[in-house]
Amino acid sequence: EDKVVQSPLSLVVHEGDTVTLNCSYEVTNFRSLLWYKQEKKAPTFLFMLTSSGIEKKSGRLSSILDKKELFSILNITATQTGDSAVYLCAVEARNRDDKIIFGKGTRLHILP
Amino acid sequence: NAGVMQNPRHLVRRRGQEARLRCSPMKGHSHVYWYRQLPEEGLKFMVYLQKENIIDESGMPKERFSAEFPKEGPSILRIQQVVRGDSAAYFCASSLQDLKQYFGPGTRLTVT
Repeated sequence: EDKVVQSPLSLVVHEGDTVTLNCSYEVTNFRSLLWYKQEKKAPTFLFMLTSSGIEKKSGRLSSILDKKELFSILNITATQTGDSAVYLCAVEARNRDDKIIFGKGTRLHILP
Repeated sequence: NAGVMQNPRHLVRRRGQEARLRCSPMKGHSHVYWYRQLPEEGLKFMVYLQKENIIDESGMPKERFSAEFPKEGPSILRIQQVVRGDSAAYFCASSLQDLKQYFGPGTRLTVT
């Protein structure tokens, strides 16, 4: 059965710390892995990863995919209170179903 | 505890027909959100409902689209007179008191 597992489920750190969020998956015919940040309403798209070993970077956020070990990490350096959110990982499968499977998310809380 | 359930998983409609997408939230969850995911794009918020109330429909097209979440039964997203541009994956999420959202597997709508 296809699945996406995120860890930890919740995390509390102090402002300025660096955090690493994990996403592992088991999906038939993997197409891409997506990271989203969800604050109030709709998740905000962060990264789409399709190739192993190539780091994607946006400001203090970066992410990398390992297709051999079937996981991705999302790093946030020098965290700020505005980084507090739920971070969602989703995996797209390239098959007849063309499905997207979401993880349960990691709730990150940054203490001032 | 079963997760968020959506059905059907795949729906094919001809132009001009009606599409009805159903979402059963997780047990105990009274908040439901509908999103649309277009190819190569992130999730787009459509509507946020609580039991028998629409809280926020700012992302819903003004015509042909409607949503409800009755006291009993699943939430329904209804698209009347579908057009090819409605073809997309529609995701439902549920939450407990506007907290972390849990996503369903999605319904892929294809309009021919």
